[in-house]
Amino acid sequence: SSELTQDPAVSVALGQTVTITCQGDSLRSYYAGWYQQKPGQAPVLVIYLKNTRPSGIPDRFSGFNSGNKASLTITGAQAEDEADYYCNSRDNSDNHVVFGGGTKLTVL
Amino acid sequence: EVQLVESGGGLVQPGRSLRLSCTASGFNFGDSAMSWVRQAPGKGLEWVGFIRSKAYGGTTEYAASVKGRFTISRDDSKNTAYLQVNSLKTEDTAVYFCTRDQGTSRPYYFDYWGLGALVTVSS
Repeated sequence: SSELTQDPAVSVALGQTVTITCQGDSLRSYYAGWYQQKPGQAPVLVIYLKNTRPSGIPDRFSGFNSGNKASLTITGAQAEDEADYYCNSRDNSDNHVVFGGGTKLTVL
Repeated sequence: EVQLVESGGGLVQPGRSLRLSCTASGFNFGDSAMSWVRQAPGKGLEWVGFIRSKAYGGTTEYAASVKGRFTISRDDSKNTAYLQVNSLKTEDTAVYFCTRDQGTSRPYYFDYWGLGALVTVSS
């Protein structure tokens, strides 16, 4: 089965731009989805397909996919963006889904 | 408003069974595929399994870690999905989230999530 790799932790100064990355072979075939999870809460889908935001997700969130990498960019990070972020995609070899290990974003 | 409400979690001994329920409202459940995702304490997300809508056969897919022990089913008349978990192991301890899956024939993105049900496997 496929694997997705994320950096464990990233930090950003308030109001600055941060990019969280996800890498894996399955991303050559499938777009990544991105989820935000705050402590004690369920994850929330923030980006899917090429660069689609569900209703209610601020436009400071954007996604990009190229080759075996996907990225989530937050332009003008806010204090409320501090959370864990997970990527996911379909598995290349079977009818499964795989998640990245998650990135803890700290807003300084 | 979309809601997914899980129930049936709790403390269970290793080797025993449990059935989680997920009752949906606010969207056309019968036309939707559903997935279960779990999260062990302090760990990341793990996809558990998927059930297609009846239009796509109502069939299921499972992660290798649970295949043969977990069974997903659905009752569209009750807007409810189920996760039957058998032969539980301590490593199955996790919060189990019910999700609506945007995939149709294959799982993909999870656009709605329940609050989760905690399953603790311990003697």
